[in-house]
Amino acid sequence: EPEVTQTPSHQVTQMGQEVILRCVPISNHLYFYWYRQILGQKVEFLVSFYNNEISEKSEIFDDQFSVERPDGSNFTLKIRSTKLEDSAMYFCASKPDRGSTEAFFGQGTRLTVV
Amino acid sequence: AQRVTQPEKLLSVFKGAPVELKCNYSYSGSPELFWYVQYSRQRLQLLLRHISRESIKGFTADLNKGETSFHLKKPFAQEEDSAMYYCALMGGGYNKLIFGAGTRLAVHP
Repeated sequence: EPEVTQTPSHQVTQMGQEVILRCVPISNHLYFYWYRQILGQKVEFLVSFYNNEISEKSEIFDDQFSVERPDGSNFTLKIRSTKLEDSAMYFCASKPDRGSTEAFFGQGTRLTVV
Repeated sequence: AQRVTQPEKLLSVFKGAPVELKCNYSYSGSPELFWYVQYSRQRLQLLLRHISRESIKGFTADLNKGETSFHLKKPFAQEEDSAMYYCALMGGGYNKLIFGAGTRLAVHP
């Protein structure tokens, strides 16, 4: 069964460094999302991406965040200059079309900023 | 404002006991509501969606618009039901999910 795949599973980075979290959505899916979950808190929406552009973003998704789909396969989340408070589990999700109600999630990348 | 509230962080029951995980929502339009489950060391996966009115693994959830609730129920809990359960609302033009804080269900033998 096709799955959303995220790499790496765990990333440790120093404060101020740039990180790129990678996701491979299910191949025929058109809508892509990033969510994050700070330890002990709820899963929060960051950004949605459709037709090679951001379709919606939350207030969390400020200028230090960016997303792209460089090669039609990978879907990446870049954090330009990490802060301690960026430490969280980051989840990628995809769904096939606008009418589909089920989002398929990756297993997550745990980002630890030290 | 769009919001999902799960008032219980932890629900601890014995095997065979009934389970009800509470979820209340706030949404200005017609909501689409879901329950997602995350078993230990596994990814978030869809358990139920209200439009399907289905029963999955013995779980059911009924949307009550008057009480703005979507509680998840199972008459007889099993140990393998132990997991994190997240209630979620689908909103916005691009169908983002708005999650509740989650309830950890622990089913003891």
